[in-house]
Amino acid sequence: GESVGLHLPTLSVQEGDNSIINCAYSNSASDYFIWYKQESGKGPQFIIDIRSNMDKRQGQRVTVLLNKTVKHLSLQIAATQPGDSAVYFCAEKSTGGFKTIFGAGTRLFVKA
Amino acid sequence: NAGVTQTPKFRILKIGQSMTLQCAQDMNHNYMYWYRQDPGMGLKLIYYSVGAGITDKGEVPNGYNVSRSTTEDFPLRLELAAPSQTSVYFCASRPTAGAPWQETQYFGPGTRLLVL
Repeated sequence: GESVGLHLPTLSVQEGDNSIINCAYSNSASDYFIWYKQESGKGPQFIIDIRSNMDKRQGQRVTVLLNKTVKHLSLQIAATQPGDSAVYFCAEKSTGGFKTIFGAGTRLFVKA
Repeated sequence: NAGVTQTPKFRILKIGQSMTLQCAQDMNHNYMYWYRQDPGMGLKLIYYSVGAGITDKGEVPNGYNVSRSTTEDFPLRLELAAPSQTSVYFCASRPTAGAPWQETQYFGPGTRLLVL
């Protein structure tokens, strides 16, 4: 069936380094992708999103890249900080659809 | 705005007991969702609603029921609790139409449920 998954379940980076979290999706009909951050004991929180008519979108210290050819999505965090330690989920949906499909998540550890 | 609120924060149930997880939002969002998150896993959709009086099943609806009598509230009912329902439950909402291409969901803090 359709699924959104992540290549790496855990990622450990040094404070100040850049982080890259990857995600693969399989539903060709998906045209909207979202990254969420979930801190311990809290609900997921929106970070950044991208539509399928774009390849790249930048926010504050975060960049999302979309490669539709290989159905791959990535989240880049610049100058990773201890406060970035969390689980990151990619998610996909179709425009106008009611449901969002979430991946399993990647846990990011930031070492001081 | 308080956003999305959930009660209780934590609950222990015995097998066979029933309970209602409460969810409320004050953002006048039409769409509301219930997810469960098992340890180390992603979110699975239980039920969703596109407006008052309208609900539909998600991926894992068995053992749960919902109602949507108002725009603000979307309670989740567990009947005959089972150990397999031990999980963290998240409620979320989103507007019918936000920014032209922003359809993100706003999540509550979650309810941790333990069924013994």
